Amino acid sequence: EAGVTQSPTHLIKTRGQQATLRCSPISGHTSVYWYQQALGLGLQFLLWYDEGEERNRGNFPPRFSGRQFPNYSSELNVNALELEDSALYLCASSPVWGGVGANVLTFGAGSRLTVL
Amino acid sequence: AQSVSQHNHHVILSEAASLELGCNYSYGGTVNLFWYVQYPGQHLQLLLKYFSGDPLVKGIKGFEAEFIKSKFSFNLRKPSVQWSDTAEYFCAVNQIDTDKLIFGTGTRLQVFP
Repeated sequence: EAGVTQSPTHLIKTRGQQATLRCSPISGHTSVYWYQQALGLGLQFLLWYDEGEERNRGNFPPRFSGRQFPNYSSELNVNALELEDSALYLCASSPVWGGVGANVLTFGAGSRLTVL
Repeated sequence: AQSVSQHNHHVILSEAASLELGCNYSYGGTVNLFWYVQYPGQHLQLLLKYFSGDPLVKGIKGFEAEFIKSKFSFNLRKPSVQWSDTAEYFCAVNQIDTDKLIFGTGTRLQVFP
């Protein structure tokens, strides 16, 4: 069974540009979560999607946005990039919201975004 | 704001030493509790979880954690660490009525042979 896959592995952008990161969940998982892992800050919750809808959002500005597609894959968009957006962005998936196994997350390897 | 605190940022042990990593959270409602581990070069993976019942839960590789509700704590323990336990450990708390899963900042464990 394929795990959670993320692309690209690495992405280098300059300030003011936009970045798009992609995530494919485990087959059968409907929930997708995005976290930012910046050095020394642990994992900061960004967004949670389930069944195509945004279920919850962390304390990040609106320039962090995303969506979930009918096949449950997801993308994270970061507009107007700032230097402090440099981080590892982790995607995770879990089974259907509220169901057995919900909130037990399976993580991908992450996409490392570097903003110059 | 609700938070998860891991006070040990970096722990260095010799093999066979005992381990206890602290985790405290600030939320007073019903919670689910997790420990995740990230071995060098690998994905974050679940170590153990607590949803309800016996507050002492056992996970993979000999790890266990105890939920002490009165102390808002969920400390991770292992009686005898191995070099292969070298990793970063993250405590996470799911606040049931907000459906957010909040992670601590992580504890880096280094075990020397």
